[in-house]
Amino acid sequence: DAGVTQSPTHLIKTRGQQVTLRCSPKSGHDTVSWYQQALGQGPQFIFQYYEEEERQRGNFPDRFSGHQFPNYSSELNVNALLLGDSALYLCASSFESTSGRWNEQFFGPGTRLTVL
Amino acid sequence: AQSVTQLGSHVSVSEGALVLLRCNYSSSVPPYLFWYVQYPNQGLQLLLKYTSAATLVKGINGFEAEFKKSETSFHLTKPSAHMSDAAEYFCALDSNYQLIWGAGTKLIIKP
Repeated sequence: DAGVTQSPTHLIKTRGQQVTLRCSPKSGHDTVSWYQQALGQGPQFIFQYYEEEERQRGNFPDRFSGHQFPNYSSELNVNALLLGDSALYLCASSFESTSGRWNEQFFGPGTRLTVL
Repeated sequence: AQSVTQLGSHVSVSEGALVLLRCNYSSSVPPYLFWYVQYPNQGLQLLLKYTSAATLVKGINGFEAEFKKSETSFHLTKPSAHMSDAAEYFCALDSNYQLIWGAGTKLIIKP
């Protein structure tokens, strides 16, 4: 059973460019969350997608947008890149159960984005 | 507002010694709390979770954590450190579909 996969592994962009990161959830999962992890810090929640809609959003500007496809995979898009966007971007998937409040999130290995 | 604080960005212990990583939280509702481990160039792996059942929670790789409401703490322990435990450890709090994270503690194991 493949876990959460992310592509690409590494990416180098220059300021002002746009980037798209991709995530395939664990088999059987229907919810995808994205996190940004700057060097030396804990992850910060960007947003979560469920049923192809953005369900919740963290404190990130509109330059960060996403999409979820019918097969539950997801993309994270970042426009007008800034130096401060350099980070590890983590995707996590989970299953939206009707029972209980919490569903474990399984994380992919991340995409390392460097903005020059 | 909900928050997580991890005390000590780096903790160094000798192999075979007790591991203690500290986590304090702030939450206006009964929290769900987690410890994750991150090895270099890898994603995050769940070590253990507290979801309002037993206050002493056992996880993988011999780790355990105790939820103490009076101290708003959820410290992670392991009786005997192993070289393979060297990694970064994150405490996190569940908050309405998202996880709120501490800054992480890097665990260094001395031979």
